Formats: sequence, C-alpha cells, structure tokens
Amino acid sequence: LAKTTQPISMDSYEGQEVNITCSHNNIATNDYITWYQQFPSQGPRFIIQGYKTKVTNEVASLFIPADRKSSTLSLPRVSLSDTAVYYCLVKPRGYSTLTFGKGTMLLVSP
Amino acid sequence: DTAVSQTPKYLVTQMGNDKSIKCEQNLGHDTMYWYKQDSKKFLKIMFSYNNKELIINETVPNRFSPKSPDKAHLNLHINSLELGDSAVYFCASSQDINTEAFFGQGTRLTVV
Repeated sequence: LAKTTQPISMDSYEGQEVNITCSHNNIATNDYITWYQQFPSQGPRFIIQGYKTKVTNEVASLFIPADRKSSTLSLPRVSLSDTAVYYCLVKPRGYSTLTFGKGTMLLVSP
Repeated sequence: DTAVSQTPKYLVTQMGNDKSIKCEQNLGHDTMYWYKQDSKKFLKIMFSYNNKELIINETVPNRFSPKSPDKAHLNLHINSLELGDSAVYFCASSQDINTEAFFGQGTRLTVV
C-alpha cells in the first residue's frame, strides 16, 4: 500500500479557503485517493474520492495532478465546525480496508 | 435514524473479563469492518466481513473474535481483556469493497 504524507497540523480563520496537500509517491495504477474527516469522539466521515484531475462535491474539491504523486483537498470558506482531523488515504481498487495515517489537524479560528 | 450504530458507547471493565461490542447497520451494505483507534489516535483495521464471511483478519490477538449473525450485524467479542486493549473501537460498513465506508460513533473501552 502506498504511504501518504500530510502536514500534522494547519491553522486557518473562518471564511478562508484551506488547502491540505498529501503526497503519495508510490501510488499504484489501481489506487484511488480518498479523504476522510474525523471530529473528536466521532467516527471518520467520508469527504471525497478521486482518481485523477479534479473532483468536486458539495463539501470539498480534490485536485490530483497528472503524475498522481500528490493530491490537494480544498475546503472553501471554512467555518469553526470544520475544525477536525483530515485523513488522506490511498485505497487500491478491489481492496476493502482503509489504511489511515496520522492525518492533519485543522484548527479554524474566529 | 443512525446508519451504523454501536453499543455500548462506553465500556469500563476489569482485566481478565470477557466483553462484547455490538454493531448494526441499516444501510443494506454487504461489507462491515472493525477498526481500533489507540491513544495516539492511529486507526487500524482489525477485521473485514463481506456477506457474513471474513475476508480480512489483520494481526489481531485471537482473544478478539468477530461474529456476523447476518449481513446487518457484526459483533466483536473480546476474551481475557488486557490493559492494552483500552482504545476506541469503530464499526463501519460499505456497500461493497470499493465504496466509501460509513463509521459508527465508536465504543470507548477502558480496561482497569
């Protein structure tokens, strides 16, 4: 499984756009890039998943360059409630389980 | 209407005891999981079941035994509890092995 590296923590203010970059240099052809969010005392929650280029949903955007060795989760106009740990995962197609790293602790301040 | 529900939410027990954590999903999913999150917040897969059959069993002591009576339930039984078993245990489910996972709220197990 490809290893992921992401910043341990990030700080932001309400209303700003936050970009969290994850590197996955050993990503394989069949691997997808998936992001989860975890609030304290709760289970992780799926945010977005992509394979290449750009994916957007109502919560976030995911940018994946052509070489797929990194990806960037973009959260538009964050609010205090976006304070959480964000996990970048590489998930092989056909492989069910998720391998979580340390994640990025995002702190949004007023 | 909770999608993945676990009981109990908190469990405090003594070393050596046997305990069970129950998990139910009402999403109609085929695949269910148990994850363990330790004190350092690392989340690790323990077991994965697909259509009631065990498909992944990571290096977990055999004191941990999952049981799936039907597709909607995956219970975790732990024998002879040890201090190191203290952690938060998360149940999760997904439609199949390729789709997103939905996690429960977790069960905080404390062994004293």
